[in-house]
Amino acid sequence: SAVISQKPSRDICQRGTSLTIQCQVDSQVTMMFWYRQQPGQSLTLIATANQGSEATYESGFVIDKFPISRPNLTFSTLTVSNMSPEDSSIYLCSPKTCGQGNSPLHFGNGTRLTVT
Amino acid sequence: GQQLNQSPQSMFIQEGEDVSMNCTSSSIFNTWLWYKQDPGEGPVLLIALYKAGELTSNGRLTAQFGITRKDSFLNISASIPSDVGIYFCAGHLLSGNTPLVFGKGTRLSVIA
Repeated sequence: SAVISQKPSRDICQRGTSLTIQCQVDSQVTMMFWYRQQPGQSLTLIATANQGSEATYESGFVIDKFPISRPNLTFSTLTVSNMSPEDSSIYLCSPKTCGQGNSPLHFGNGTRLTVT
Repeated sequence: GQQLNQSPQSMFIQEGEDVSMNCTSSSIFNTWLWYKQDPGEGPVLLIALYKAGELTSNGRLTAQFGITRKDSFLNISASIPSDVGIYFCAGHLLSGNTPLVFGKGTRLSVIA
């Protein structure tokens, strides 16, 4: 499976600020999924990012709050905008290549965000 | 959205005991996956299941894809302290190329 690197690994941010999380994969992938894991909870899909097109957001998530970039096939960023304490979560990216059907997703270690 | 009902929510067991956890859904899934998450890390894939009835082992772990395609279980035999963590089931719905849906997790504690 691909090696997935996320930066930062953790951060503590002030309310009202924004944080951009980077996800780097060591191979070219078609899709990048961004998940959120709130404290003590399961993983919830935020959006799916494809290169060259706007990300597709899941119900309850909007582009203004979670803008995503996908400049090439190995990299993506997720920004958590105008943060509030409710945004304190682990954010995880997961790559997938077209044609792999329902092959398992793999995750990096995520970004642990605390908003004060 | 679609939900996976994972149980139990948490377990406290003695080292050496066997563990069983399961996931059920009202919807049909065409893959079932089991992940383990240690503190401060992302989920790590343990076992992937692709066919109804499939029984797959990975060391002391065994998982099965239910015949109805609506459930799966994970067994851990002879538990050890490093089995501590949160176990998640996940699956892809039968209907097309859908996102991975996760259960709420089972928190496992092993008492030495």
